[in-house]
Amino acid sequence: GENVEQHPSTLSVQEGDSAVIKCTYSDSASNYFPWYKQELGKGPQLIIDIRSNVGEKKDQRIAVTLNKTAKHFSLHITETQPEDSAVYFCAARATNTGNQFYFGTGTSLTVIP
Amino acid sequence: DGGITQSPKYLFRKEGQNVTLSCEQNLNHDAMYWYRQDPGQGLRLIYYSQIVNDFQKGDIAEGYSVSREKKESFPLTVTSAQKNPTAFYLCASSIDRIEPQHFGDGTRLSIL
Repeated sequence: GENVEQHPSTLSVQEGDSAVIKCTYSDSASNYFPWYKQELGKGPQLIIDIRSNVGEKKDQRIAVTLNKTAKHFSLHITETQPEDSAVYFCAARATNTGNQFYFGTGTSLTVIP
Repeated sequence: DGGITQSPKYLFRKEGQNVTLSCEQNLNHDAMYWYRQDPGQGLRLIYYSQIVNDFQKGDIAEGYSVSREKKESFPLTVTSAQKNPTAFYLCASSIDRIEPQHFGDGTRLSIL
């Protein structure tokens, strides 16, 4: 099946700086890559996603890039704010296994005021 | 407001007991899922259901059972056969198997 690796596991940035989280996947047939934000005691919330026919997608301060050749995708958060502090998960939808989603192990982001 | 409701938020189980976690959605979604979340690990799929009266095992189904008698409801039973049940359990739903999933706020299960 698909294997998704996520780095770093923890990330601390100063307020206003940028944060980048990277994920790699193993199955070249995977074609959809969502990112989730999980706050303490809550379920993950979808924040942005990208499909395999697109290289980049942006939504205000959040952007995602995809490199299909290298099989990696990244989440970029600019002008970070304290409310961005949370755990972020990447995922890949694997068409070879009935469209099952496989998740990374999460990145705990702390934005220091 | 439409969403996914999981209850209870915290649950304690004694050794040898079965416990059932509730998941209800009012999003009119066909597909529903149960995941287990452990510290430092990604979400792992326990069971999923694409339509009423049908469900399939995920990657870690041993020691768990589910039912899907209504479109809105997908309860998960953690049986005594699950030897390491302490975890955070997340329920999710989606329009179908292809579309992104929406998650509830989870149930934290602990062993007494």
